[in-house]
Amino acid sequence: GAGVSQSPRYKVAKRGQDVALRCDPISGHVSLFWYQQALGQGPEFLTYFQNEAQLDKSGLPSDRFFAERPEGSVSTLKIQRTQQEDSAVYLCASSLVGRGAGGNTIYFGEGSWLTVV
Amino acid sequence: KNEVEQSPQNLTAQEGEFITINCSYSVGISALHWLQQHPGGGIVSLFMLSSGKKKHGRLIATINIQEKHSSLHITASHPRDSAVYICAVRRDGGSQGNLIFGKGTKLSVKP
Repeated sequence: GAGVSQSPRYKVAKRGQDVALRCDPISGHVSLFWYQQALGQGPEFLTYFQNEAQLDKSGLPSDRFFAERPEGSVSTLKIQRTQQEDSAVYLCASSLVGRGAGGNTIYFGEGSWLTVV
Repeated sequence: KNEVEQSPQNLTAQEGEFITINCSYSVGISALHWLQQHPGGGIVSLFMLSSGKKKHGRLIATINIQEKHSSLHITASHPRDSAVYICAVRRDGGSQGNLIFGKGTKLSVKP
């Protein structure tokens, strides 16, 4: 596709429910990133994939959060047993390559807005 | 203290004004990003800097590595520039995309 696509755009989950958020990066992009943005705050890093390898998951807030990218393209962020504090926008981004000190331009999706009630 | 601080938090300007948004950081970095976020969540990458200055249209971004400071300037501002502008840094030795974000500067340009 032309840009990074995320689905669903909006999700309301009951506390305790599991949710899965999907990200389709720009075709051919090697690197994929997930961020969490609480209302009124800047985004916070969750995890980073280079192709199918999850190279950095230091930002995942708890073991209820799990991300995968099994074929090196589409990625899924799964949140188990959702809590109210998980309510946030979950942003996915991708970039062409993963090397270099400066990196490359990062392209963001529109985000998935999760509300846990 | 946040590792990335932006000022001002909110900024209201009249159309045509020259605008400056500042970003200071306290860690060693390999790159700094300026991002634009519109209501509804979409983020657009404006610049990625590791030194010096970059210009794109009416937007100019500068960085001073020694002073750990960057500025984003908008010349001849327009109401369509209204958005939240976010500074984000990639920590030295950090993985690509493991960015530390500022809280953003909300810009409103009045016609």
